[in-house]
Amino acid sequence: QITLKESGPALVKPTQTLTLTCTFSGFSLTSRGVGVGWIRRPPGKALEWLAIIYWDGDKRYSPSFKPRVTAVKDTSRDEVVLTMTEMGPVDTATYYCARWRQYFDLMSGNYTNKEGRWDYWGQGILVTASS
Amino acid sequence: QSVLTQPPSMSAAPGQKVTISCSGNASNIGTNYVSWYQQFPETAPKLLLYDINKRPSGIPDRFSGSKSGASATSATLDITGLQTGDEADYYCASWDSSLDGVVFGGGTRLTVL
Repeated sequence: QITLKESGPALVKPTQTLTLTCTFSGFSLTSRGVGVGWIRRPPGKALEWLAIIYWDGDKRYSPSFKPRVTAVKDTSRDEVVLTMTEMGPVDTATYYCARWRQYFDLMSGNYTNKEGRWDYWGQGILVTASS
Repeated sequence: QSVLTQPPSMSAAPGQKVTISCSGNASNIGTNYVSWYQQFPETAPKLLLYDINKRPSGIPDRFSGSKSGASATSATLDITGLQTGDEADYYCASWDSSLDGVVFGGGTRLTVL
């Protein structure tokens, strides 16, 4: 059974750095074609992708958040940690971690994101940025 | 402003069919596959469809997806035999080769009257 769960503070003050941990089970982040990423949903707004870290250590960040976010993995603990600097009220949102599955391209012999999808999600954690 | 465009809301009666569109460009839907997610209030999104029209285990065949051609820049989600339990927010997503990341649609709130 695959599960993911987010943990971290419910409240951060403006300008502070947010640190969230995604603890997962039922799969390994060393398995080829697997990634763990972060998505958020501000109240009343749409889903926004933040970051992905892949099985091989490669990372991708949303251009909208790249200067502020960092993702690191600890495969021995089955965890992925997201940090987001300079938090502000607009960053108030429910933050989700999810597993990303890549596609194995037979032609190139590589895993690609062409058919990627988020196949398992954590329950989410509401983070409020307010003084 | 989301990269992929969806209608903000749609409504239909129980038993009817609804089609939710998702429009992008050559860098995302035109090149890569689309996945769809269903989200009920106060719960996490759930994968509904991937690779345009593949369903994870447990997703009924009332949900189906399509894309008009290999290089088409839009996709659709069809839900037939609508049930009140289908009331939710629906999101499309794709990889964007230019942005080198995941892009989501703005979401469509479905109301089953």
